[in-house]
Amino acid sequence: SQQGEEDPQALSIQEGENATMNCSYKTSINNLQWYRQNSGRGLVHLILIRSNEREKHSGRLRVTLDTSKKSSSLLITASRAADTASYFCATDAFSQGGSEKLVFGKGTKLTVNP
Amino acid sequence: DTEVTQTPKHLVMGMTNKKSLKCEQHMGHRAMYWYKQKAKKPPELMFVYSYEKLSINESVPSRFSPECPNSSLLNLHLHALQPEDSALYLCASSHIDRVDTEAFFGQGTRLTVV
Repeated sequence: SQQGEEDPQALSIQEGENATMNCSYKTSINNLQWYRQNSGRGLVHLILIRSNEREKHSGRLRVTLDTSKKSSSLLITASRAADTASYFCATDAFSQGGSEKLVFGKGTKLTVNP
Repeated sequence: DTEVTQTPKHLVMGMTNKKSLKCEQHMGHRAMYWYKQKAKKPPELMFVYSYEKLSINESVPSRFSPECPNSSLLNLHLHALQPEDSALYLCASSHIDRVDTEAFFGQGTRLTVV
């Protein structure tokens, strides 16, 4: 079952602009991660934010987490053409056997035009 | 070495064939994962191995058979697949099987069942 849902589904911007993607989830979480996937390739971990954190930075990335609204946002500043990719949030959930697992949202497809 | 290597990159197989996907990591990670990703969808967890033991099977059909021969290798044996099994199969690893750890993904095997 899917836990996170990204918004928007697709985003097209010009190089140099900022890109903001949002993730909403349904049940309480302990952690939320963001991953990037270039077309048809593997995923790359970007950042992990814990439920007791409100904001984290990594280079041009800023992630916020609002547990009261069950939502997170990923901001990419000064975007580059190389940032063109799909971005997924991932949250903890329970597997069918009761173990914890990572569940990915539907993703936001970001296109940065040169 | 922070790579997860998957072979082959592409695979076309008939419904009566038997084939195997391979995944290798040399980061000393003790958790390894198989995900399935259909086009324009998020990755979905199939199996988790923790310390070379199967810890999660997300009710995957028996035509998919995972194997973890040692801590560096993960295989996925395929037999009597259906065309709807065509997808990108992603292998991942992490330091331990915890949802608050970074997962490293391979580039995937693009599988087509004809």
